[in-house]
Amino acid sequence: EDQVTQSPEALRLQEGESSSLNCSYTVSGLRGLFWYRQDPGKGPEFLFTLYSAGEEKEKERLKATLTKKESFLHITAPKPEDSATYLCAVQLSGGTSYGKLTFGQGTILTVHP
Amino acid sequence: SAVISQKPSRDICQRGTSLTIQCQVDSQVTMMFWYRQQPGQSLTLIATANQGSEATYESGFVIDKFPISRPNLTFSTLTVSNMSPEDSSIYLCSVGTAPLGTEAFFGQGTRLTVV
Repeated sequence: EDQVTQSPEALRLQEGESSSLNCSYTVSGLRGLFWYRQDPGKGPEFLFTLYSAGEEKEKERLKATLTKKESFLHITAPKPEDSATYLCAVQLSGGTSYGKLTFGQGTILTVHP
Repeated sequence: SAVISQKPSRDICQRGTSLTIQCQVDSQVTMMFWYRQQPGQSLTLIATANQGSEATYESGFVIDKFPISRPNLTFSTLTVSNMSPEDSSIYLCSVGTAPLGTEAFFGQGTRLTVV
């Protein structure tokens, strides 16, 4: 069965304290791995798509990396405005899975000033 | 990118009634999807909205409960039928840009409370 697991469930950081969020996956075939940010009461905001092991993408204080089994979202010198739920999702290869996303449970990030 | 508008943004409904949620995209898209996010949970795919044909539902979701329309490449509706309190969730419309796999965008969601 295809599974996506995110850890930790919640993470509290001090402003400026860098850390990483983990997304591990067990899937039959990976087409892409997506990262989203979700603020309370809003829809997920697209951050990155990663396709192959070794790929890295950056956006401001965020950097996403991908291996064959997991992805990391590194947050460098976070600010309070980075506080949100970060969601990881996989898109599977194969015709019947085209376009669909399977989500992990998310990591709730809180950054204290 | 794609700009997705959902209506209504929130609603409180009586059990046994139905609610139709609209999703409008600012450009033509091939793929449209409907997701559900139950309180404190992550997103679960309900169905793929197919233009000009019946929607494709995921396991655990049926057309009688969640009828979907997709009359063109920029618009879709999801109806939550015969609602019960267990249907209280956020319902989200999503679109995939071409070539699919590059990016996938979400609307702001419809927060439904059934009393």
